[in-house]
Amino acid sequence: QVQLQESGPGLVKPSETLSLTCTVSGGSMSGSYWSWIRQPPGKGLEWIGYIHYIGSTNYSPSLEGRVTISIDTSKNQFSLRLNSVTAADTAMYFCALSGGGPSDYWGQGILVTVSS
Amino acid sequence: DIQMTQSPSSLSASVGDRVTITCRASQGISNDLGWYQQKPGKAPKRLIYAASNLQSGVPSRFSGSGSGTEFTLTISSLQPEDFATYYCLQHNSNPRTFGQGTKLEIQ
Repeated sequence: QVQLQESGPGLVKPSETLSLTCTVSGGSMSGSYWSWIRQPPGKGLEWIGYIHYIGSTNYSPSLEGRVTISIDTSKNQFSLRLNSVTAADTAMYFCALSGGGPSDYWGQGILVTVSS
Repeated sequence: DIQMTQSPSSLSASVGDRVTITCRASQGISNDLGWYQQKPGKAPKRLIYAASNLQSGVPSRFSGSGSGTEFTLTISSLQPEDFATYYCLQHNSNPRTFGQGTKLEIQ
């Protein structure tokens, strides 16, 4: 059973960089797309982007220019960096293996608050 | 971007009711759609993939249908644990996009 776990700071100052890591256990990262999704408090889900295990990425246009997703298959981890954050980036951040096939796994989520 | 319009945004129903939630895509997405259930404080859980395939372990009262631009999620007989928020997600083209959600409440 694949499990994902987000980690990182729960509080980030405005204008700084949000950095999160997702650790994957119970399975290989090969052949899959690894995603980040976020959910502001009380609101709906927003897809941030994904990275393929070979390193190709795709990002939401609304965040492109501020977001970077990277992968380290040797550590079974992938990461999210979001620059120049504002209060609007306050959200629950989820990492996920989510695509068209039968496999679909999500982390429990991590709440990141942007505040001084 | 493909817009996913989900309706209704909220729904009140009773245990035992049959309910249907709809997602409409702004352009054709074949069957590249999944349905998710989310309970407060929890990660979304996928119920249906490829528009009509039941995720392993999900009760058979959940079903999905549709292709192209119109999709439905049906719960044949509501159970108390089904009261939650439901989302569709298209993965036909990037960026992937979610519907805005349907909150299913107890009547």
